[in-house]
Amino acid sequence: SQQGEEDPQALSIQEGENATMNCSYKTSINNLQWYRQNSGRGLVHLILIRSNEREKHSGRLRVTLDTSKKSSSLLITASRAADTASYFCATDRNSGNTPLVFGKGTRLSVIA
Amino acid sequence: DGGITQSPKYLFRKEGQNVTLSCEQNLNHDAMYWYRQDPGQGLRLIYYSQIVNDFQKGDIAEGYSVSREKKESFPLTVTSAQKNPTAFYLCASSMRGLATEAFFGQGTRLTVV
Repeated sequence: SQQGEEDPQALSIQEGENATMNCSYKTSINNLQWYRQNSGRGLVHLILIRSNEREKHSGRLRVTLDTSKKSSSLLITASRAADTASYFCATDRNSGNTPLVFGKGTRLSVIA
Repeated sequence: DGGITQSPKYLFRKEGQNVTLSCEQNLNHDAMYWYRQDPGQGLRLIYYSQIVNDFQKGDIAEGYSVSREKKESFPLTVTSAQKNPTAFYLCASSMRGLATEAFFGQGTRLTVV
Protein backbone atom coordinates (compact mmCIF):
# COMPACT_ATOMS: atom_id res chain seq x y z
CA SER A 1 0.00 0.00 0.00
CA GLN A 2 1.53 3.28 -1.15
CA GLN A 3 1.29 6.22 1.22
CA GLY A 4 3.97 8.62 0.06
CA GLU A 5 4.67 9.47 -3.55
CA GLU A 6 7.80 11.41 -4.48
CA ASP A 7 8.11 13.81 -7.36
CA PRO A 8 10.05 14.01 -9.60
CA GLN A 9 11.13 10.41 -10.12
CA ALA A 10 14.55 11.60 -11.27
CA LEU A 11 16.40 14.89 -11.02
CA SER A 12 19.70 15.92 -12.52
CA ILE A 13 21.43 19.15 -11.48
CA GLN A 14 24.83 20.80 -11.53
CA GLU A 15 27.00 20.96 -8.44
CA GLY A 16 26.23 24.06 -6.41
CA GLU A 17 22.58 24.22 -7.46
CA ASN A 18 19.69 23.54 -5.12
CA ALA A 19 17.64 20.34 -5.40
CA THR A 20 13.99 20.18 -4.44
CA MET A 21 12.04 16.96 -4.07
CA ASN A 22 8.38 16.66 -3.19
CA CYS A 23 6.32 14.04 -1.40
CA SER A 24 2.56 13.70 -1.33
CA TYR A 25 0.68 11.34 0.95
CA LYS A 26 -2.89 10.18 1.31
CA THR A 27 -3.94 9.91 4.96
CA SER A 28 -3.31 11.86 8.15
CA ILE A 29 0.08 11.29 9.74
CA ASN A 30 1.97 11.68 13.00
CA ASN A 31 5.23 12.47 11.31
CA LEU A 32 7.00 12.39 7.97
CA GLN A 33 10.59 11.33 7.49
CA TRP A 34 13.12 11.61 4.70
CA TYR A 35 15.76 8.97 4.01
CA ARG A 36 18.69 8.74 1.64
CA GLN A 37 19.95 5.61 -0.13
CA ASN A 38 23.22 5.33 -1.98
CA SER A 39 23.17 2.78 -4.77
CA GLY A 40 23.12 -0.78 -3.45
CA ARG A 41 23.19 0.30 0.19
CA GLY A 42 20.78 0.62 3.08
CA LEU A 43 18.73 3.70 3.84
CA VAL A 44 19.98 6.44 6.12
CA HIS A 45 17.64 8.65 8.10
CA LEU A 46 17.96 12.34 7.26
CA ILE A 47 15.24 14.23 9.09
CA LEU A 48 11.88 13.79 10.80
CA ILE A 49 9.17 16.45 10.84
CA ARG A 50 6.14 16.10 13.10
CA SER A 51 2.63 16.85 11.97
CA ASN A 52 2.49 20.02 14.10
CA GLU A 53 5.70 21.40 12.56
CA ARG A 54 5.84 23.35 9.31
CA GLU A 55 9.55 23.60 8.64
CA LYS A 56 12.73 22.00 9.87
CA HIS A 57 16.41 22.49 9.05
CA SER A 58 19.43 20.23 9.34
CA GLY A 59 22.66 21.49 7.81
CA ARG A 60 22.02 21.95 4.08
CA LEU A 61 18.63 20.23 4.34
CA ARG A 62 15.34 22.07 4.67
CA VAL A 63 12.08 20.18 4.99
CA THR A 64 8.61 21.68 4.88
CA LEU A 65 5.30 20.05 5.70
CA ASP A 66 1.85 21.19 4.63
CA THR A 67 -0.71 18.94 6.29
CA SER A 68 -3.61 20.71 4.58
CA LYS A 69 -2.20 19.70 1.20
CA LYS A 70 -0.77 16.41 2.50
CA SER A 71 2.61 17.24 1.04
CA SER A 72 6.21 17.76 2.04
CA SER A 73 9.31 19.03 0.29
CA LEU A 74 13.00 18.36 0.82
CA LEU A 75 15.42 21.06 -0.29
CA ILE A 76 19.14 20.36 -0.51
CA THR A 77 21.06 23.60 -0.88
CA ALA A 78 24.44 24.01 -2.58
CA SER A 79 24.42 20.42 -3.77
CA ARG A 80 27.58 18.36 -4.07
CA ALA A 81 28.44 15.34 -6.19
CA ALA A 82 28.33 13.29 -2.96
CA ASP A 83 24.62 14.09 -2.64
CA THR A 84 23.96 11.80 -5.59
CA ALA A 85 21.56 9.18 -4.22
CA SER A 86 17.90 8.21 -4.04
CA TYR A 87 15.74 10.07 -1.56
CA PHE A 88 12.62 8.59 0.01
CA CYS A 89 9.87 10.02 2.12
CA ALA A 90 8.24 7.78 4.72
CA THR A 91 5.12 8.14 6.80
CA ASP A 92 3.10 6.15 9.23
CA ARG A 93 -0.40 4.99 8.27
CA ASN A 94 -3.53 6.69 9.45
CA SER A 95 -1.84 8.25 12.49
CA GLY A 96 -1.58 4.89 14.23
CA ASN A 97 1.33 2.98 15.71
CA THR A 98 2.13 1.40 12.37
CA PRO A 99 5.29 0.68 10.41
CA LEU A 100 6.67 3.26 8.04
CA VAL A 101 5.43 3.29 4.46
CA PHE A 102 7.92 4.46 1.87
CA GLY A 103 7.41 6.13 -1.46
CA LYS A 104 9.21 5.09 -4.64
CA GLY A 105 11.89 7.71 -4.25
CA THR A 106 13.55 10.45 -6.25
CA ARG A 107 16.86 9.63 -7.92
CA LEU A 108 19.10 12.67 -7.63
CA SER A 109 22.19 13.04 -9.79
CA VAL A 110 24.54 15.91 -9.02
CA ILE A 111 26.99 16.53 -11.83
CA ALA A 112 30.39 17.96 -10.95
CA ASP B 1 30.00 -0.10 17.44
CA GLY B 2 26.23 -0.08 17.47
CA GLY B 3 24.35 -0.99 14.37
CA ILE B 4 22.31 -3.40 12.38
CA THR B 5 24.01 -6.15 10.41
CA GLN B 6 22.63 -8.14 7.53
CA SER B 7 24.27 -11.19 6.08
CA PRO B 8 25.12 -12.34 3.57
CA LYS B 9 25.48 -9.37 1.25
CA TYR B 10 24.82 -11.52 -1.81
CA LEU B 11 22.83 -14.76 -1.88
CA PHE B 12 21.99 -17.11 -4.70
CA ARG B 13 19.09 -19.50 -4.53
CA LYS B 14 18.12 -22.36 -6.76
CA GLU B 15 14.53 -22.83 -7.73
CA GLY B 16 12.61 -24.67 -4.99
CA GLN B 17 15.06 -23.91 -2.21
CA ASN B 18 14.39 -22.10 1.03
CA VAL B 19 16.98 -19.55 2.10
CA THR B 20 17.37 -17.57 5.30
CA LEU B 21 18.59 -14.00 5.51
CA SER B 22 20.17 -12.91 8.76
CA CYS B 23 19.52 -9.62 10.57
CA GLU B 24 21.15 -8.76 13.89
CA GLN B 25 21.07 -5.49 15.83
CA ASN B 26 22.88 -4.33 18.94
CA LEU B 27 20.96 -1.09 19.32
CA ASN B 28 18.60 -2.53 21.95
CA HIS B 29 15.68 -1.69 19.67
CA ASP B 30 12.32 -3.28 20.31
CA ALA B 31 10.92 -3.12 16.77
CA MET B 32 12.40 -4.80 13.71
CA TYR B 33 11.26 -4.91 10.10
CA TRP B 34 11.89 -6.57 6.77
CA TYR B 35 11.39 -4.68 3.53
CA ARG B 36 11.76 -5.79 -0.05
CA GLN B 37 13.02 -3.37 -2.71
CA ASP B 38 12.55 -3.88 -6.43
CA PRO B 39 13.73 -1.42 -9.07
CA GLY B 40 11.33 1.49 -9.39
CA GLN B 41 8.99 0.21 -6.68
CA GLY B 42 10.41 1.63 -3.51
CA LEU B 43 10.28 -0.42 -0.30
CA ARG B 44 7.50 -2.84 0.52
CA LEU B 45 6.94 -4.22 4.01
CA ILE B 46 7.19 -8.00 4.40
CA TYR B 47 7.00 -8.59 8.18
CA TYR B 48 7.57 -6.64 11.35
CA SER B 49 7.96 -7.38 15.03
CA GLN B 50 7.44 -5.14 18.04
CA ILE B 51 8.51 -7.55 20.76
CA VAL B 52 10.16 -10.93 21.15
CA ASN B 53 8.03 -13.92 20.12
CA ASP B 54 5.54 -11.71 18.30
CA PHE B 55 5.42 -10.55 14.68
CA GLN B 56 2.88 -9.34 12.13
CA LYS B 57 2.49 -9.69 8.40
CA GLY B 58 3.16 -6.69 6.23
CA ASP B 59 1.88 -5.95 2.76
CA ILE B 60 3.66 -8.78 0.91
CA ALA B 61 4.13 -11.61 3.47
CA GLU B 62 3.17 -14.49 1.17
CA GLY B 63 6.10 -16.84 0.57
CA TYR B 64 8.10 -15.49 3.52
CA SER B 65 8.43 -16.46 7.17
CA VAL B 66 10.16 -14.89 10.17
CA SER B 67 10.96 -15.59 13.80
CA ARG B 68 11.80 -13.35 16.75
CA GLU B 69 13.26 -15.59 19.44
CA LYS B 70 15.73 -12.97 20.61
CA LYS B 71 15.46 -9.18 20.76
CA GLU B 72 18.63 -8.82 18.72
CA SER B 73 17.71 -11.13 15.86
CA PHE B 74 14.98 -11.19 13.21
CA PRO B 75 15.82 -13.72 10.46
CA LEU B 76 13.78 -13.87 7.26
CA THR B 77 13.22 -17.11 5.37
CA VAL B 78 12.35 -16.89 1.71
CA THR B 79 10.46 -20.07 0.95
CA SER B 80 9.93 -21.91 -2.30
CA ALA B 81 6.38 -20.54 -2.26
CA GLN B 82 7.74 -17.09 -3.10
CA LYS B 83 7.49 -17.09 -6.88
CA ASN B 84 9.63 -14.06 -7.62
CA PRO B 85 12.21 -13.78 -4.85
CA THR B 86 14.94 -11.96 -6.76
CA ALA B 87 15.18 -8.60 -5.01
CA PHE B 88 17.11 -6.46 -2.56
CA TYR B 89 16.08 -7.17 1.04
CA LEU B 90 16.46 -4.59 3.77
CA CYS B 91 16.20 -5.12 7.51
CA ALA B 92 15.54 -2.21 9.84
CA SER B 93 14.97 -1.54 13.50
CA SER B 94 13.57 1.28 15.59
CA MET B 95 13.75 2.15 19.26
CA ARG B 96 10.13 2.40 20.23
CA GLY B 97 6.94 2.88 18.34
CA LEU B 98 6.61 1.72 14.80
CA ALA B 99 6.82 5.09 13.06
CA THR B 100 9.95 6.43 14.73
CA GLU B 101 13.36 6.79 13.11
CA ALA B 102 14.40 3.53 11.48
CA PHE B 103 17.96 2.26 11.23
CA PHE B 104 18.72 0.08 8.23
CA GLY B 105 21.18 -2.68 7.51
CA GLN B 106 23.21 -2.68 4.29
CA GLY B 107 20.89 -5.12 2.58
CA THR B 108 21.05 -8.59 1.06
CA ARG B 109 20.72 -9.03 -2.67
CA LEU B 110 19.01 -12.34 -3.40
CA THR B 111 19.16 -13.82 -6.87
CA VAL B 112 17.41 -16.96 -8.10
CA VAL B 113 19.62 -19.01 -10.41
